[in-house]
Amino acid sequence: AQSVSQHNHHVILSEAASLELGCNYSYGGTVNLFWYVQYPGQHLQLLLKYFSGDPLVKGIKGFEAEFIKSKFSFNLRKPSVQWSDTAEYFCAVSLDNYGQNFVFGPGTRLSVLP
Amino acid sequence: ETGVTQTPRHLVMGMTNKKSLKCEQHLGHNAMYWYKQSAKKPLELMFVYSLEERVENNSVPSRFSPECPNSSHLFLHLHTLQPEDSALYLCASSQDLGRTCTFGPGTRLTVL
Repeated sequence: AQSVSQHNHHVILSEAASLELGCNYSYGGTVNLFWYVQYPGQHLQLLLKYFSGDPLVKGIKGFEAEFIKSKFSFNLRKPSVQWSDTAEYFCAVSLDNYGQNFVFGPGTRLSVLP
Repeated sequence: ETGVTQTPRHLVMGMTNKKSLKCEQHLGHNAMYWYKQSAKKPLELMFVYSLEERVENNSVPSRFSPECPNSSHLFLHLHTLQPEDSALYLCASSQDLGRTCTFGPGTRLTVL
């Protein structure tokens, strides 16, 4: 079965620090990759997605992610975090036309100190 | 309304009660999902519907019973739940299976 792992359970950064959250998945075929964010008290929102093409994907709020197929990774990055980025971040993997494999990682909680 | 809506937002029920959660999507999507979000556990996919047909039941206990009467509505019928079923239940939809999911705000369920 497909699985998704996220390297860090909780990351604490100061404002303006750079961020990289790790995500690895286990499936060897063609996948769709996502990062979702859940701000405190709010519902899950799509941050960015990768289906095909350029492996460097840009999302909302200055986030980007790089798909490295050889490493089965899809790490999320932001050069300079803000206090408002405090949230939980989830990596997810799916297969086209295969809803039962829309699998989420356990999440990484990001706390940004002002 | 736009997006994915869920009602009720909060629900407290006893173990012998029967209740239902409702989800409605206003996006014209073909697939709908139920997820369970518990503290300190990954999001668990419970049920998947595509064009109103159930695609997957990930070994969910029978005390959870989904219903998808049309492509815009999804229900989760609850019966004789256990306290460990207390969680946030999220509904999502996508244009096609495996594509970008849009999530609803969830129903916070507490089973006493």
